[in-house]
Amino acid sequence: KAGVTQTPRYLIKTRGQQVTLSCSPISGHRSVSWYQQTPGQGLQFLFEYFSETQRNKGNFPGRFSGRQFSNSRSEMNVSTLELGDSALYLCASSSLAGLYNEQFFGPGTRLTVL
Amino acid sequence: GDSVTQMEGPVTLSEEAFLTINCTYTATGYPSLFWYVQYPGEGLQLLLKATKADDKGSNKGFEATYRKETTSFHLEKGSVQVSDSAVYFCALSFTGGGNKLTFGTGTQLKVEL
Repeated sequence: KAGVTQTPRYLIKTRGQQVTLSCSPISGHRSVSWYQQTPGQGLQFLFEYFSETQRNKGNFPGRFSGRQFSNSRSEMNVSTLELGDSALYLCASSSLAGLYNEQFFGPGTRLTVL
Repeated sequence: GDSVTQMEGPVTLSEEAFLTINCTYTATGYPSLFWYVQYPGEGLQLLLKATKADDKGSNKGFEATYRKETTSFHLEKGSVQVSDSAVYFCALSFTGGGNKLTFGTGTQLKVEL
């Protein structure tokens, strides 16, 4: 099975712009979660989508949004970019077939805001 | 709220040394516990997990035991290799609470020859 894929892998934007990141989960997985990783704050949960519905949300401002499509692919959008949004954005998918919420992570998208 | 505390890094060891990375958690209820590993330039990989008290997770020579009484899930390996150099994250989640993982800050491990 192919793993979780994220596109693009690297992105450079300037303050005030918006950006869209994409995540394709493992085939058959219906849950997609997003995390932000920064040296200062570590790994922080952004949100989770399951069957096109946001099921969980972390403590991030409304500039961060996401959606999930019927094929389980997910996108996250950040509007009005700030310097502090520079981070590695990780996507994880889960089948929810088991009980233990095992998640499989993609390689991440490295966003740099100038 | 729920939280995970890990020992500060970096931890530097010689090859074949014994490894312990401490992890404690604070949570209401009984979460599932995980160790993830991140190699340079890559995403996270699940290393091992435990879902209830006294469970021992193990993989690739690494072990961790879910200790409810001390709310701990320390990672151990008897003999580390240079290839184990990476950042290790302890994390928790709750079954039925969606797939939200709460991570510790990560511990960087450097193994030298």
